[in-house]
Amino acid sequence: NAGVTQTPKFQVLKTGQSMTLQCAQDMNHNSMYWYRQDPGMGLRLIYYSASEGTTDKGEVPNGYNVSRLNKREFSLRLESAAPSQTSVYFCASSVESGANVLTFGAGSRLTVL
Amino acid sequence: AQSVTQLDSHVSVSEGTPVLLRCNYSSSYSPSLFWYVQHPNKGLQLLLKYTSAATLVKGINGFEAEFKKSETSFHLTKPSAHMSDAAEYFCVVTEGSGGSYIPTFGRGTSLIVHP
Repeated sequence: NAGVTQTPKFQVLKTGQSMTLQCAQDMNHNSMYWYRQDPGMGLRLIYYSASEGTTDKGEVPNGYNVSRLNKREFSLRLESAAPSQTSVYFCASSVESGANVLTFGAGSRLTVL
Repeated sequence: AQSVTQLDSHVSVSEGTPVLLRCNYSSSYSPSLFWYVQHPNKGLQLLLKYTSAATLVKGINGFEAEFKKSETSFHLTKPSAHMSDAAEYFCVVTEGSGGSYIPTFGRGTSLIVHP
């Protein structure tokens, strides 16, 4: 059981470069999420997709875009990376939004120089 | 709007002593509450969840938490700490019908276990 798979695990970018973080789940979950984790800040929601075909902003969406490509895949794009986007990014999924358990990927560590 | 506050950023215990990680929440609707654990350089794993059934919830690895509506708390406890419990712990709230279904995380509590 792969669960939630994120790629890449590590990435170093220069300011202004773009990149896409990929996330795929094989559990037939409806809802998917992108969080960023910074020291002392917990996990903050960037974007989420309650179901295939829908996406919504979370707490910290500025500088990011997302695509729910199909039910399995939910990608996060940085169009013009900034040092403030240096963080660890986690993708998660759940059966539905609400009182459902989140299943997390292993994380993607991004450094923007 | 929902929110969650973890009252301690760090908790330090000796192996074999009790663990208490404190979490207070705010919600205008019937909340669901969760504790997740993150070991170093790993993803997050569910410890336990409360969803309006029994107020005392038992989780994995001997952890449990009690939902106290009057105190708006959901503290995590374990009778005896083990070295392998050293990790970051997150309290999470989602609201019920009429509220936000999106999980909101606390800032985390780092549990340090001394031999």
